[in-house]
Amino acid sequence: SQQGEEDPQALSIQEGENATMNCSYKTSINNLQWYRQNSGRGLVHLILIRSNEREKHSGRLRVTLDTSKKSSSLLITASRAADTASYFCATPNTGFQKLVFGTGTRLLVSP
Amino acid sequence: NAGVTQTPKFRVLKTGQSMTLLCAQDMNHEYMYWYRQDPGMGLRLIHYSVGEGTTAKGEVPDGYNVSRLKKQNFLLGLESAAPSQTSVYFCASSLYTEAFFGQGTRLTVV
Repeated sequence: SQQGEEDPQALSIQEGENATMNCSYKTSINNLQWYRQNSGRGLVHLILIRSNEREKHSGRLRVTLDTSKKSSSLLITASRAADTASYFCATPNTGFQKLVFGTGTRLLVSP
Repeated sequence: NAGVTQTPKFRVLKTGQSMTLLCAQDMNHEYMYWYRQDPGMGLRLIHYSVGEGTTAKGEVPDGYNVSRLKKQNFLLGLESAAPSQTSVYFCASSLYTEAFFGQGTRLTVV
């Protein structure tokens, strides 16, 4: 079974609004990563948060991590139509060998 | 710098045929992965490798074999293709943290 589950499965917003998506995972982690996938393309790494971090920012992205609840959230502020994509969380096992992905959130940003 | 390159990009197979998907990376990464992506299922890990000459099973390894004879290449083989293997296949490589992905191979088994 997959390690991560994203919520919601789909999200539709207007340009300028904020988008929040959540990820829950099952086992202990060293870090959690978020990726973006544009339609029909390979995944692109967005941001990594380590298990000893609670929040991290990168441009319009804000990631939080709550290891006690085994959950993470990705916030995209001031969304643009170009942010339309699927977003996945990923967690490596403790040996950094296996990288397992969640089921993804499909984000649609309308102009 | 090409990154991760997958060959071929598209392929149609008949049930029972065999084929090999090639993944090549030029970043000197130790770890390489093969995933399949089906609608509503996200990415599922098929096999992975932590270095030249090593391979390990992922979440959905049945029906697939892999080899990593050279550090830069990771091959995924289908010995006897089945319609259930119709999917988009992604290769990725990493060096402990972020993974870099190829553009995918769309495989249809009829």
